[in-house]
Amino acid sequence: DTAVSQTPKYLVTQMGNDKSIKCEQNLGHDTMYWYKQDSKKFLKIMFSYNNKELIINETVPNRFSPKSPDKAHLNLHINSLELGDSAVYFCASSHLGGIGEKLFFGSGTQLSVL
Amino acid sequence: GQSLEQPSEVTAVEGAIVQINCTYQTSGFYGLSWYQQHDGGAPTFLSYNGLDGLEETGRFSSFLSRSDSYGYLLLQELQMKDSASYFCAVVRMDSSYKLIFGSGTRLLVRP
Repeated sequence: DTAVSQTPKYLVTQMGNDKSIKCEQNLGHDTMYWYKQDSKKFLKIMFSYNNKELIINETVPNRFSPKSPDKAHLNLHINSLELGDSAVYFCASSHLGGIGEKLFFGSGTQLSVL
Repeated sequence: GQSLEQPSEVTAVEGAIVQINCTYQTSGFYGLSWYQQHDGGAPTFLSYNGLDGLEETGRFSSFLSRSDSYGYLLLQELQMKDSASYFCAVVRMDSSYKLIFGSGTRLLVRP
């Protein structure tokens, strides 16, 4: 059983398209995150949800819209994709909002915008 | 502002000991975490320091000095499988708790 699973693993698309990435965790955690890792391996937090409530929004363009239908799921929808959106997107979850607790990461979604 | 500094690359020999340093500058500092990431893989948690001092977990140890805004990860008895990127990450509290990652240190273990 995969603890944090995200789909798809690879996503290749054209500029201007809209795409979604899905994430599910079966760890019973109450907090979920989206991180973006660029080509230089820099991991940057994008969003965090705690019990379906948005608690962190790191000045991400509003083309990015997270949705949390329940505390086990956090999806990421991206409108009007741009070349600069190409990166690996990681979903993660934790208990207690990450206060010294482990973040458990999904295996990542490699997004390539052509 | 905030910053996290760690070396970009470190090379060491199998069986040796290596130390990866991390210096930080941030408001709302709460603690320091370390994560390992193999190429093509997901980051995985290694350790967390909420208080000053040394935390030991098997071959890996992590140290924090809040007064020096400094921490390090110590890897002992290096194995080839330890070749990976290692990230220090500050746990920061502003309106909520947040994990901010450094740029990572690529460790290459040679036979």
